[in-house]
Amino acid sequence: GAGVSQTPSNKVTEKGKYVELRCDPISGHTALYWYRQSLGQGPEFLIYFQGTGAADDSGLPNDRFFAVRPEGSVSTLKIQRTERGDSAVYLCASSLGGGETQYFGPGTRLLVL
Amino acid sequence: RKEVEQDPGPFNVPEGATVAFNCTYSNSASQSFFWYRQDCRKEPKLLMSVYSSGNEDGRFTAQLNRASQYISLLIRDSKLSDSATYLCVVKGNNNDMRFGAGTRLTVKP
Repeated sequence: GAGVSQTPSNKVTEKGKYVELRCDPISGHTALYWYRQSLGQGPEFLIYFQGTGAADDSGLPNDRFFAVRPEGSVSTLKIQRTERGDSAVYLCASSLGGGETQYFGPGTRLLVL
Repeated sequence: RKEVEQDPGPFNVPEGATVAFNCTYSNSASQSFFWYRQDCRKEPKLLMSVYSSGNEDGRFTAQLNRASQYISLLIRDSKLSDSATYLCVVKGNNNDMRFGAGTRLTVKP
């Protein structure tokens, strides 16, 4: 069956621009997670959705980062006024329920010039 | 202090060797524990869950010591295909998942 998909696979933008990253979870998975991974580091937790609501957004680094999941399926991570330090791979994962095995998407590689 | 800390590695071992990775976590209320594997430029994939009694899956053995807040992964008879980064993952009481920085393993012929 279809796994987690993320678009775009690569995104190059200029400092100060706005970007949106999309995640399509596995059908029926109620939990959705966003992570950010820099080179040589493990995934850094950003936000966790259970259904439509953000159950834990304590990992969002600042108010330039925002994520939504309006219908409890697809999620969008939004980054305003991008900075060079935002360059990383943004990973999305979904699971059947919170805390269950997570299935990761291939990630979006974001490069802010 | 990071919530989840791992041996920094890298570990370079010959085929057939036994190798062990360690992980410590800071949140004593953590509920569940996992090892994920991540190949270069790929997404992480679940290797195995870690149970209180310890568990084994073929050549892989995971152990948990709640009192010491310590998790381990043992790989026996290493294969070339075991070369990857191994991520220790801890689930908190809010179902949030925290990853360690990973330990890189290279198995050489």
